[in-house]
This record gives sequence, C-alpha cells and structure tokens, in this order.
Amino acid sequence: ETGVTQSPTHLIKTRGQQVTLRCSSQSGHNTVSWYQQALGQGPQFIFQYYREEENGRGNFPPRFSGLQFPNYSSELNVNALELDDSALYLCASSLGQGSSYEQYFGPGTRLTVT
Amino acid sequence: GEDVEQSLFLSVREGDSSVINCTYTDSSSTYLYWYKQEPGAGLQLLTYIFSNMDMKQDQRLTVLLNKKDKHLSLRIADTQTGDSAIYFCAEGGGSYIPTFGRGTSLIVHP
Repeated sequence: ETGVTQSPTHLIKTRGQQVTLRCSSQSGHNTVSWYQQALGQGPQFIFQYYREEENGRGNFPPRFSGLQFPNYSSELNVNALELDDSALYLCASSLGQGSSYEQYFGPGTRLTVT
Repeated sequence: GEDVEQSLFLSVREGDSSVINCTYTDSSSTYLYWYKQEPGAGLQLLTYIFSNMDMKQDQRLTVLLNKKDKHLSLRIADTQTGDSAIYFCAEGGGSYIPTFGRGTSLIVHP
C-alpha cells in the first residue's frame, strides 16, 4: 500500500506567476483535501475533492483552484501568486467524504514566492 | 479569538510524562484529533477521540476530553527524544473538516 505523495518537494516562484502542485492519494482513497500551512501556524483547509467534485471549501479566494482525476490524484493551482502564498501545502487523502478523521497526509510542497 | 488554542512550547526531561493541552470553541465538534509533525514532514495522525468519550488510551498516549469545558489533553508517558516534534490539536464538526490549532512544540532533553 503506497502512502500519499506530493510533488514537487520545493518550489520557488515570483509574485504574479501561477503554480500547480500535485498529489497522489493513498491507494483506495477517493477523497483528497488540501491545506496551507504558513510558518508557525497550523494547517488551514483550502478545499476537498470527493470523486472528482469539489466537496467543501475554506476561506480562500478563487485564484486557488483544484482538480481531481479519475484515479483520485489531485492538483492544486494557484494563480497570481502573492508573497503571502509562501507556505507548506499539504495534501491529505481519506476514504469517503465523511471520514476526515482517518486522513493521511503527504510530506507537503514548500512554496516560496519572491 | 482562535477556534483552537494551544500553548506554543513545552519542555520536558526524557523519561518524564508530557501533557499538552488544548481548548476549542465549537460545541458541535464530533471528533477531536492529535497530530504530530516532525521537522520537514507532513502531519501524522496520532489519535482521535469521539466527542461522546472522555478518555482514550493507546499505548503511551492518553487523551482526555472535558466536553463541558471544551478542553482536550494529550499525555505522553515516558517521553523520549524521538517524541520531540510539533503536536497539533484539531477539532472536527459536522463537516468532518478539522480546524487546527497553532501547534505545541515539544522539546525533550536528556
């Protein structure tokens, strides 16, 4: 059974650019959630995808968007990057939309915006 | 104020017990969680407790929940240097999406 993987590990972008982060969910999991963890803070929920549909969204602007594919892997896209978008982006997978208590997190992608 | 609050730092001696405390505000929370994050790593779910329980024990870990006071604690018995990490308390309401605290940095010294 493979765990949650994320790519890339680190990324440096310039303000105003666009970025795509990727996540492969744990085998058999059909739900993916994305979180932003700023330095010294706890993770903040961005959105969740269940069977390719957005299934809940946190307090993030529309320039944060996502996709989930038929194999349940997922992408997080951020447009018009701002300095405050610098953070660790975490992906978590679970089985079923109501089972976030059994979420398994990936190692994260560290995004730096200069 | 924040939905989930934790003290930021805790320092203990190896072999002692560690107690990490957390308070939350959402009275409809269904699940309360403890996660561990080691440097440069993602979050690892340590344990969780349903809101209708007041205690859960799992090897060296004991979770206590006082629902009336909205207080959650994590006790780590016989703390080891490998337990040094940031511990996050989180609460999940009806949506099951957890709301995290800022984390407690546990430092274990010999």
